[in-house]
Amino acid sequence: KQEVTQIPAALSVPEGENLVLNCSFTDSAIYNLQWFRQDPGKGLTSLLLIQSSQREQTSGRLNASLDKSSGRSTLYIAASQPGDSATYLCAASGAGSYQLTFGKGTKLSVIP
Amino acid sequence: GAGVSQSPSNKVTEKGKDVELRCDPISGHTALYWYRQSLGQGLEFLIYFQGNSAPDKSGLPSDRFSAERTGGSVSTLTIQRTQQEDSAVYLCASSWEQGARNQPQHFGDGTRLSIL
Repeated sequence: KQEVTQIPAALSVPEGENLVLNCSFTDSAIYNLQWFRQDPGKGLTSLLLIQSSQREQTSGRLNASLDKSSGRSTLYIAASQPGDSATYLCAASGAGSYQLTFGKGTKLSVIP
Repeated sequence: GAGVSQSPSNKVTEKGKDVELRCDPISGHTALYWYRQSLGQGLEFLIYFQGNSAPDKSGLPSDRFSAERTGGSVSTLTIQRTQQEDSAVYLCASSWEQGARNQPQHFGDGTRLSIL
């Protein structure tokens, strides 16, 4: 059974810093790895999706990498802003199913 | 609509009552998913619809939970004889079907269910 872990559970950084969020998964037979953002009381917003054949994806100040062999993905946020404050979740899509297995998220606070 | 719409946004009910939660996916999205988010468990998959059929309902926690989808659009998640452990936020997501597994899932804002 796939298990997804995110460390740290919470992170506080000053505005302008670059930061990395970590995600690890136990079963490397994934179809894709997705990163989401969740604001309080809201649903999830898709940020980046990395297919299993890809190594990274970029969108604006966000860059996500995937290393299937080591079971790891990272989300890099450049020049953080207070508006980046949210909970970030990673999710793995299994090779044999459509369901996503989520980590418990990293709560990011960017201090002005 | 512009996004995935869920109703009600909040539901408070007494233990033992039945509840229905509704999801209206993005127009044209034929894949639809239900998830549950609770404090202790994080986000858990419940069921996946492809059109009106549910090829994967492996995440439904008990036979008190059921879901249906009609017309390839709106879906209803029903919980019978609710129990306090059913209290959670129920999230619905949809995506394009073609190559669905490499299409991002778009989420609604969820229904916050509280069982007294």
